[in-house]
Amino acid sequence: SAVISQKPSRDICQRGTSLTIQCQVDSQVTMMFWYRQQPGQSLTLIATANQGSEATYESGFVIDKFPISRPNLTFSTLTVSNMSPEDSSIYLCSVPLPQTGETEAFFGQGTRLTVV
Amino acid sequence: AQSVAQPEDQVNVAEGNPLTVKCTYSVSGNPYLFWYVQYPNRGLQFLLKYITGDNLVKGSYGFEAEFNKSQTSFHLKKPSALVSDSALYFCAVRDSSTDMRFGAGTRLTVKP
Repeated sequence: SAVISQKPSRDICQRGTSLTIQCQVDSQVTMMFWYRQQPGQSLTLIATANQGSEATYESGFVIDKFPISRPNLTFSTLTVSNMSPEDSSIYLCSVPLPQTGETEAFFGQGTRLTVV
Repeated sequence: AQSVAQPEDQVNVAEGNPLTVKCTYSVSGNPYLFWYVQYPNRGLQFLLKYITGDNLVKGSYGFEAEFNKSQTSFHLKKPSALVSDSALYFCAVRDSSTDMRFGAGTRLTVKP
């Protein structure tokens, strides 16, 4: 399995500010995914981050609001920009298991964001 | 596009009884199906998956799931529930692409 570290684990932020979430994987992976889990809800895919190219965003998510970096095969960041209380969620990064041809995905512990 | 439905928001069972958490899916092509569990204040943990082969898949912590192509279902089961199984369970599906789609989740409560 892959070991995925996310930082910070939680944060409380003022509205209008931005927060950058880091995701570090202990092995090289082609694709990394960012999900949002709003309170009491399921996971919604925000975007797919490939190394060396721009992230691909799902419907309802835009790069200006959620810029993503993918500088190498083990690291990615997600920024939540100009935050509002509606952005309060758990944000999770996810990677496929490299050795099994990318079937199941593994998840970081998540970043619990509260915007006040 | 692929999708999953978990028709039950909540499932309550008594400890020692069998449990079932339901999931149906929609996907073009062959489905890759997964179950994850989320304990409070923790990330998602992979339980089991169906890719191909035997319709009955065995996973972690004594859980198993049965793939039924005609009913497009992938229900999670356990013969004897434990209080420690109480958590939020997510069914997920992907097709030949790599991004997963998750169900709404089912909160399982096992009472002593």
